[in-house]
Amino acid sequence: DAGVTQSPTHLIKTRGQQVTLRCSPKSGHDTVSWYQQALGQGPQFIFQYYEEEERQRGNFPDRFSGHQFPNYSSELNVNALLLGDSALYLCASSLALVTEAFFGQGTRLTVV
Amino acid sequence: AQSVAQPEDQVNVAEGNPLTVKCTYSVSGNPYLFWYVQYPNRGLQFLLKYITGDNLVKGSYGFEAEFNKSQTSFHLKKPSALVSDSALYFCAVRAPGEGSQGNLIFGKGTKLSVKP
Repeated sequence: DAGVTQSPTHLIKTRGQQVTLRCSPKSGHDTVSWYQQALGQGPQFIFQYYEEEERQRGNFPDRFSGHQFPNYSSELNVNALLLGDSALYLCASSLALVTEAFFGQGTRLTVV
Repeated sequence: AQSVAQPEDQVNVAEGNPLTVKCTYSVSGNPYLFWYVQYPNRGLQFLLKYITGDNLVKGSYGFEAEFNKSQTSFHLKKPSALVSDSALYFCAVRAPGEGSQGNLIFGKGTKLSVKP
């Protein structure tokens, strides 16, 4: 079992550009959540996808959008990048009621 | 509003001594509580959870946590610390009734440093 996998592991973008991050959930998991972890902070919830629909959203602007595919994998898109978007982006997957979420290793995004 | 507080930015412990990492929460109803550990440049690894039942929860790598409803606390403990336990520890809460559809609310994290 490969667990939750994210790609790429690192990337550098310029202000104003757009970026797409990818996540493959743990085998058998159908729910994917995305979190942003700024340096020295705890992860902040961005949004969650289930059955290819956004089910919950945190306090993030519309520049942040996502998608879930029929195989449960997911993408996080960020448009018009700002310096403040620099962070570790974490993907988590889960399945049944009250189970823990499993996290990927994250994508380190640096905006210059 | 739901929130999690980890009052200590850093906890220093000598190897072999017991450790405690503190966490308090604020949420309506009975929460689901979690502890995660993060090593440098890595994602979060699940340690343990409290959903219901026994207030003392045992988890991975010898860690345990005690749920105290009256004090709204969920402190992480280990009887004998190892140098390899040095990492960043996060407490998280999920609001009741949301199950797997609910998002996790994290504390800011506590850096645990275990010295030989």
